Order: sequence, then C-alpha cells, then structure tokens
Amino acid sequence: DIVMTQSPDSLSVSLGGRATINCKSSQSVLFSSNNKNYLSWYQHKPGQPPKVLITWASTRESGVPDRFSGSGSGTDFTLTISSLQAEDVAVYYCQQYYFTPWTFGQGTKVQIK
Amino acid sequence: QLQESGPGLVRPSETLSLSCSVSGGATNTNSYYWGWIRQPPGKGLEWIASIHYSGNGYYNPSLRSRVTISVDTSENQFFLRLTSVTAADTAVYFCAGQNYDLSSGSLSWFDPWGQGVLVTVSS
Repeated sequence: DIVMTQSPDSLSVSLGGRATINCKSSQSVLFSSNNKNYLSWYQHKPGQPPKVLITWASTRESGVPDRFSGSGSGTDFTLTISSLQAEDVAVYYCQQYYFTPWTFGQGTKVQIK
Repeated sequence: QLQESGPGLVRPSETLSLSCSVSGGATNTNSYYWGWIRQPPGKGLEWIASIHYSGNGYYNPSLRSRVTISVDTSENQFFLRLTSVTAADTAVYFCAGQNYDLSSGSLSWFDPWGQGVLVTVSS
C-alpha cells in the first residue's frame, strides 16, 4: 500500500494568514507516461461530507476559491491556503489514486489562532 | 446527490448492511465507480471498496474477506455488506462516486459524497 503521511497534524493560523499543509507519499505517485501526479486534496468540515479541492496535485476544482493551491511532484506535495478565512476551518486530507488500495493521509486540522 | 441509509447499531459478529441512493444521475454510467469510505471516531478516512455498474469491483485487501459491494441499477442504488463486525468497525460510513476515465481505465478522486451515516457496533 502507498502510505500517505501529512504534516503537521494540526496548525493554528491567524485570519488572513497563510496555512501550509504537507503530504508525503511512501512511493512516487507521478505517472511518467503522462507526467501527472495522481493526488487529490479534500476539505472536511464537521457534519459535512468531504469536498474535493484539488486534483492532479495542482488543478483547482470548479468553484474552489483561488486562495487554495496545490503543488509538488513525485512524493512530496503541499496544499496552501494563502489567506485563511473563518470558513476554512476544517480537516484537510490528501489522497493518492496512483493505484489501489486508494489511501488517504491522516488529516491536518486547521484552526484560527 | 448520494444518501446513505441503514441501521445505526449493529451487534458484534453480525453483518453491517448499508445502501446508498443516487439521485440526479444514473448508476449505470461510465463516468463513475461507486464506492464506500469510512471514518472511525477521531481517525482518518479509509477506502473500503468501489464497484462499476457492470459489476467490476475493487476492494481494500485489509477488508476484502468481509466485504461485499453490489449495485442495483434499476433502483439506482448500491450497497455495502460487512460481515463479522467488531467494535473496530464503528465508524461514519460514506458512499461516494469515484471518478472513472473509461479511455484509460483509471479511477481517481471521490466526488460527490453522501452525508455519511454513523454505525456503532455494540451489544
């Protein structure tokens, strides 16, 4: 199985501040034939289903605010919230879809400082 | 939209059975596989299994021996059965559509998701 490890487990950021979440995979999720990273990011708020924010490591899904961005390649990835808003308080997960079993990181809880 | 249903309490050693109703789209589509993901209290997300309307399925090896996933296109529903449950199976169970690229045969991210249903295993 590909193990996804996120850091930190939680972080507190001031309103308007930058939040950076890291995700490391135990093996590369970059498919060389199409140069795509098979990685997505989700936002999960209490009492709601997870919402996909980013696919292919850096493609923002429709309707997702541009303060959310994804970067990285191979085994190391980052989700950045450039200017944290109150509504961004949530747990964030990365997920690899390079091969089955599809696996998620353990989650990073983002709070307001 | 997806909506899970099923009992909230299951006795140890019994079988957990959940259904997921799909509205606003058809289960007999080549755009999605239909999957189940769970989240134990205080823990992260764990993929359980995914199925195509054709019946082709993928299972998490850690649960494979206890899991059956199925789909009923006439009812626009899909189902999860998990046998011989223990307290470790207590979790919020989500159903979700898993994006599928027919040309490459690749499955990817999960979207949309149901609201989730809490299933507690206890006597």
